[in-house]
Amino acid sequence: NAGVTQTPKFQVLKTGQSMTLQCAQDMNHEYMSWYRQDPGMGLRLIHYSVGAGITDQGEVPNGYNVSRSTTEDFPLRLLSAAPSQTSVYFCATTDPTPDTQYFGPGTRLTVL
Amino acid sequence: AQSVTQPDIHITVSEGASLELRCNYSYGATPYLFWYVQSPGQGLQLLLKYFSGDTLVQGIKGFEAEFKRSQSSFNLRKPSVHWSDAAEYFCAVGAGTGGFKTIFGAGTRLFVKA
Repeated sequence: NAGVTQTPKFQVLKTGQSMTLQCAQDMNHEYMSWYRQDPGMGLRLIHYSVGAGITDQGEVPNGYNVSRSTTEDFPLRLLSAAPSQTSVYFCATTDPTPDTQYFGPGTRLTVL
Repeated sequence: AQSVTQPDIHITVSEGASLELRCNYSYGATPYLFWYVQSPGQGLQLLLKYFSGDTLVQGIKGFEAEFKRSQSSFNLRKPSVHWSDAAEYFCAVGAGTGGFKTIFGAGTRLFVKA
């Protein structure tokens, strides 16, 4: 069981570039989420999904898109990267009974 | 509105000493409460959780936490800290809705000195 995997581990982008952060899970959880972690701010929810084909916005969705075509995968797209998107990004799945989240190892993104 | 406050940005304790990390929350109903630990360069790992029942909950790695409704607190404790406990600790409060209403505190970084 790999749990939750994320690729890449590190990425450097220039302002305006686009990219996709990959997230995959093998726990067969319906619920998946993307968070960003910034110093002193804890984790903030970007987007989430309650199952294949269903996504919704979290607390800080602007500048990000998601899709969920399969239970296993939940990619996060940066449409036009900005320095304010420099952060560490975590993907998580949730076992809803009882509401326990499992996090991937994170992607550290720097936007120059 | 829901909120989670971890008053201490960082704490330093000596190896072998006891530890208490503070967490206060604001929530309208009975909360689901969590403590997660994050080692450097890693994702978050669940230490323990409280949903109902006994207000003293045991977790992994020798940690425990006590839910005090009257104080809106869920403090994390460990009787004897090991150097490997050095990490960042996050308190979180959820609504039992699949994690999407979970609010995380800003974290407390624990330093352990020899």
